[in-house]
Amino acid sequence: AQSVTQLDSHVSVSEGTPVLLRCNYSSSYSPSLFWYVQHPNKGLQLLLKYTSAATLVKGINGFEAEFKKSETSFHLTKPSAHMSDAAEYFCVVSGAGKSTFGDGTTLTVKP
Amino acid sequence: DAGVTQSPTHLIKTRGQQVTLRCSPKSGHDTVSWYQQALGQGPQFIFQYYEEEERQRGNFPDRFSGHQFPNYSSELNVNALLLGDSALYLCASGQTGALNTGELFFGEGSRLTVL
Repeated sequence: AQSVTQLDSHVSVSEGTPVLLRCNYSSSYSPSLFWYVQHPNKGLQLLLKYTSAATLVKGINGFEAEFKKSETSFHLTKPSAHMSDAAEYFCVVSGAGKSTFGDGTTLTVKP
Repeated sequence: DAGVTQSPTHLIKTRGQQVTLRCSPKSGHDTVSWYQQALGQGPQFIFQYYEEEERQRGNFPDRFSGHQFPNYSSELNVNALLLGDSALYLCASGQTGALNTGELFFGEGSRLTVL
């Protein structure tokens, strides 16, 4: 069994300030973990993935995430938010051929 | 290289009708998964197809059925539509075997409205 909890349903930051989107997971397997972004009325785009290699994963558009097994966390960060980062973000755990999504975090970026 | 393509992009049905949604996976991919995303929620797994068979299924009733064709494309069928079936239906493709990292490639979705 596996599950994902995104700890914040909404996050609001000012442009140019850091972004932190939190994700905790549970899995009976050695999981693969992903962050996807979804802009309004669009499909999902992969930001980054962890597949048991380096624990610090770098993705597109300046995002990165750190896999912490002891804390069962996979938080997403970005040093400086841009207006175009405003979107819905989903943390996903994958194992045994099945992917489970969190409920999502809405990121708002204020000018 | 075309990514995942879905059709139709939007459709409106009435309660009790049936709908068929279509998906073509990314080139080189052999698995197709379907997800339902209700407004304001995360995608919920419906089922996955591989080698023309349903391999895994989420918590959805039998009204939801599917098919995978020899060219790996897939259909999602929903019978006896309910108002609660209104959602964005997402198709995702992936690879099996040694190439399988769990990464999914998503289409833009088919938005179904049931009146």
